Amino acid sequence: LAKTTQPISMDSYEGQEVNITCSHNNIATNDYITWYQQFPSQGPRFIIQGYKTKVTNEVASLFIPADRKSSTLSLPRVSLSDTAVYYCLVGPMNTGFQKLVFGTGTRLLVSP
Amino acid sequence: DGGITQSPKYLFRKEGQNVTLSCEQNLNHDAMYWYRQDPGQGLRLIYYSQIVNDFQKGDIAEGYSVSREKKESFPLTVTSAQKNPTAFYLCASSIDTGADTEAFFGQGTRLTVV
Repeated sequence: LAKTTQPISMDSYEGQEVNITCSHNNIATNDYITWYQQFPSQGPRFIIQGYKTKVTNEVASLFIPADRKSSTLSLPRVSLSDTAVYYCLVGPMNTGFQKLVFGTGTRLLVSP
Repeated sequence: DGGITQSPKYLFRKEGQNVTLSCEQNLNHDAMYWYRQDPGQGLRLIYYSQIVNDFQKGDIAEGYSVSREKKESFPLTVTSAQKNPTAFYLCASSIDTGADTEAFFGQGTRLTVV
């Protein structure tokens, strides 16, 4: 499985755009990139998933360059409630969610 | 209201006692999972089940046991053989075990062994 590297923590202020980059140099051809968000004392929840180029939903955007060796989760105009840990997961299609590895993630702190 | 429910939210047990954590889902999902999370760490897979009456060990199965007698239920027993059981336990489910499916997590059970 592709190893992922994310910043341990990031700080931001309300209303700013936050970009969290995940490095996955040995991503395989059939790997997807998935991001989860976890609030304190809660289970993670799915944010966004992509394979290449750009994916956008009502919560975030995911940018994946052509070489797919990294990806960037973009959170527009963050609020205090976006303070959470964000996990980048990389894994093959159709071979099992259990194969996805939750690393330590990126701890985002949004201040007033 | 569909979802995945873990109970209890907090659990205290004495050292040497077995304890069972409940996980129920009404999403009609085939696959269910148990994870353990320690402070400041990521999630580690304990057990998973792809279908009723079948389950597989994850990365840290020693000291734990599970059953999957019903599609909607996947209880986890933390046995006295688990050397360091105090942790936050998370249950999840997904439609199947394909990596491109979304997994839904419960609110977790925080187990403290004293």
